[in-house]
Amino acid sequence: SQQGEEDPQALSIQEGENATMNCSYKTSINNLQWYRQNSGRGLVHLILIRSNEREKHSGRLRVTLDTSKKSSSLLITASRAADTASYFCATDNSGNEKLTFGTGTRLTIIP
Amino acid sequence: EAGVVQSPRYKIIEKKQPVAFWCNPISGHNTLYWYLQNLGQGPELLIRYENEEAVDDSQLPKDRFSAERLKGVDSTLKIQPAELGDSAVYLCASSQTERPGANEQFFGPGTRLTVL
Repeated sequence: SQQGEEDPQALSIQEGENATMNCSYKTSINNLQWYRQNSGRGLVHLILIRSNEREKHSGRLRVTLDTSKKSSSLLITASRAADTASYFCATDNSGNEKLTFGTGTRLTIIP
Repeated sequence: EAGVVQSPRYKIIEKKQPVAFWCNPISGHNTLYWYLQNLGQGPELLIRYENEEAVDDSQLPKDRFSAERLKGVDSTLKIQPAELGDSAVYLCASSQTERPGANEQFFGPGTRLTVL
């Protein structure tokens, strides 16, 4: 079963614009991770944010975590065509020894 | 450093036939995972190995699926017999730590299985 739900399911923006994806989950977590998947490829880890952190940056990526709302957001600034991919959040749930992935957001950057 | 290697990349079989997928994790990674990814969905865990021991196979359909990780390095996932609903991408991943969510997981490119 999927723990996280990404929103929106699909997003198309112009190159250079910022892209924001949201993830909601159901149970308490130890940490939350974001992964990217290019078409026909495996997943690539982007960033991990722990439950006691509220915001984290990595290059053009900014992740926020609100444990009271059980939600996270991924912001990609100054988007590039190469950012076209599906983005998944994955939760490390308290008391459950597995990483549970959401349903993903398909991002398309229009050149 | 070589990443996670999977083979084959694509496999087309007829229903009721057997099929096997192979995975070689990143050197030094003790933890190995097999995931199933249906079209438009996120990966779902099938089985997790710590070295050669299967520590979580609760989501593996044991009537037709089996897996092994002899010597605690590479692993094989088998389906026998395959059904139409098994068409999906089978992903292998590995990580350094024993806690699945504590650190990042490294994924292979996957094997896309089509059952006709």
